[in-house]
Amino acid sequence: RKEVEQDPGPFNVPEGATVAFNCTYSNSASQSFFWYRQDCRKEPKLLMSVYSSGNEDGRFTAQLNRASQYISLLIRDSKLSDSATYLCVVYANPDTGNQFYFGTGTSLTVIP
Amino acid sequence: EAGVAQSPRYKIIEKRQSVAFWCNPISGHATLYWYQQILGQGPKLLIQFQNNGVVDDSQLPKDRFSAERLKGVDSTLKIQPAKLEDSAVYLCASSFQGGQPQHFGDGTRLSIL
Repeated sequence: RKEVEQDPGPFNVPEGATVAFNCTYSNSASQSFFWYRQDCRKEPKLLMSVYSSGNEDGRFTAQLNRASQYISLLIRDSKLSDSATYLCVVYANPDTGNQFYFGTGTSLTVIP
Repeated sequence: EAGVAQSPRYKIIEKRQSVAFWCNPISGHATLYWYQQILGQGPKLLIQFQNNGVVDDSQLPKDRFSAERLKGVDSTLKIQPAKLEDSAVYLCASSFQGGQPQHFGDGTRLSIL
């Protein structure tokens, strides 16, 4: 079973729409959670860390549900510039020691 | 603050040749990571250093891949000999400490002919 699973999409939404991505993780002892954004042929860039109480940064809201082992990212009022792949990242301690696990990414295209 | 520096940006070699990548992390970052990202997939950790020590290299194909971070600052990743399936982007990242958000370099796009 993969450590982190995401729906690869693609999600095609009109400008101004609200879109949500979910990500599940397998290790209940996972310690830290992040969303990264990756543009085509570019490196991943940190979008936001995900805290237990949930957190918001402008149009972006991240939630963590430890009981169900998933994290979510909500994007409100989508902009064309939001088009990218969104990577769910979990910092966990499997048998081999602490490391970051990346999902395969969810592709978002915002349409004019 | 200067970001993570990687070189080269692109590399094209023939199978069975060798290749090396270089990474200079953000100043003061103790933890350095090398990832392999194949098209359409998320980054896969190859090796993680804490200062000049290896924390995790469980997914590094040690028969052909090697990496070092001798002085606890910059690092090199080598592939010898290269195979067709090694075609990927090799990303270096660093963080202040393990578990804290990582910052990525631009990556090296490797093509094996």
